[in-house]
Amino acid sequence: DQQVKQNSPSLSVQEGRISILNCDYTNSMFDYFLWYKKYPAEGPTFLISISSIKDKNEDGRFTVFLNKSAKHLSLHIVPSQPGDSAVYFCAASPNAGGTSYGKLTFGQGTILTVHP
Amino acid sequence: DSGVTQTPKHLITATGQRVTLRCSPRSGDLSVYWYQQSLDQGLQFLIQYYNGEERAKGNILERFSAQQFPDLHSELNLSSLELGDSALYFCASSVAPARGDEKLFFGSGTQLSVL
Repeated sequence: DQQVKQNSPSLSVQEGRISILNCDYTNSMFDYFLWYKKYPAEGPTFLISISSIKDKNEDGRFTVFLNKSAKHLSLHIVPSQPGDSAVYFCAASPNAGGTSYGKLTFGQGTILTVHP
Repeated sequence: DSGVTQTPKHLITATGQRVTLRCSPRSGDLSVYWYQQSLDQGLQFLIQYYNGEERAKGNILERFSAQQFPDLHSELNLSSLELGDSALYFCASSVAPARGDEKLFFGSGTQLSVL
């Protein structure tokens, strides 16, 4: 039962253009959403997050959009740079006040390649 | 460098064997988490410890166990290994038992190959 899905295994974009990575979830109890980036031979690193009370969060070139009614979130990277080439994982967490601390549910990841 | 140290980086063993993966959290972090990443799978949460005590459990097999020691390092023990246990095992840490909005710091993982 895949509660968090990233349906695109890979995405290729040109440097300077926008990269849009998508993520769908099924569990209505998810309250907080995060994106992690992973380079080869390294662990995932936190990128950006969004609470379910918001529909948008921005940090520099990275913006995450949340559509709760559609149970969909997306990560926009503008402009894309070759150094952004990595695997991007979407993750979700249940109610922040609950007991499921750190029990993130991850998607399968999307490999982003940014061409110079 | 996340500050989380995992050893060994690679481990090759045979079916039926037992291995121990080790994790040292970031300085000051009290919580340790273990995740498993198999081929074509996202990271699957296994177990979480906070200051030596188990706090949350995921889909961890009975053949797997973990503990967190007084110096806060953690070990994940995998026994009666099967081919399907081959995966990348990540350890992560955070200051406190993470709320949903608290980011985790991941180590670079231990690649386990069961032959």
